[in-house]
Amino acid sequence: GQQVMQIPQYQHVQEGEDFTTYCNSSTTLSNIQWYKQRPGGHPVFLIQLVKSGEVKKQKRLTFQFGEAKKNSSLHITATQTTDVGTYFCAGPNTGGFKTIFGAGTRLFVKA
Amino acid sequence: KAGVTQTPRYLIKTRGQQVTLSCSPISGHRSVSWYQQTPGQGLQFLFEYFSETQRNKGNFPGRFSGRQFSNSRSEMNVSTLELGDSALYLCASSSIVRTSLGGYTFGSGTRLTVV
Repeated sequence: GQQVMQIPQYQHVQEGEDFTTYCNSSTTLSNIQWYKQRPGGHPVFLIQLVKSGEVKKQKRLTFQFGEAKKNSSLHITATQTTDVGTYFCAGPNTGGFKTIFGAGTRLFVKA
Repeated sequence: KAGVTQTPRYLIKTRGQQVTLSCSPISGHRSVSWYQQTPGQGLQFLFEYFSETQRNKGNFPGRFSGRQFSNSRSEMNVSTLELGDSALYLCASSSIVRTSLGGYTFGSGTRLTVV
């Protein structure tokens, strides 16, 4: 079946270091979405990418959608302790009535 | 604008019992999706409803069921609870007809513990 894979599973960084998580789909996606879940919280929608090769920025966060629309990445520059949490990528299944989530990358930031 | 409301927040049930969880989407959102989140399996899709119709269902046993009412509120039911059903159950609403074309707004979830 259709899968969305994410690496790494965990990442420990020192505050101020950069962080990147990668997402790969087994099929071409019409869009990719990114969510953040703080410890003890629920996923919160961050952004959606739709176009091939699209790059979007939100302050220190940079999101990219691959040219083939099968992979994506989230890069955080100069991490802060407020960045801790799990970052999920998600994409639609064929037919588009459900969204498949990657397993997430859990980010730990040491002050 | 009120967010997605899920009740109850926490629930403890005994094996074999049944449970009903409730979700009120954002006003005007007609699509409601349910996900099960566990540490080992991540976010697993349960089902999606739009205008009272189930449009998609995940790979869960028939013990898991749901419905949506005319006011878009949704419920999910799990019968004959098993220990493995312990999880965070998340409801997500969307205003987009093809829900995967736009982002979800998640509720805070219901933490179900089966003992």
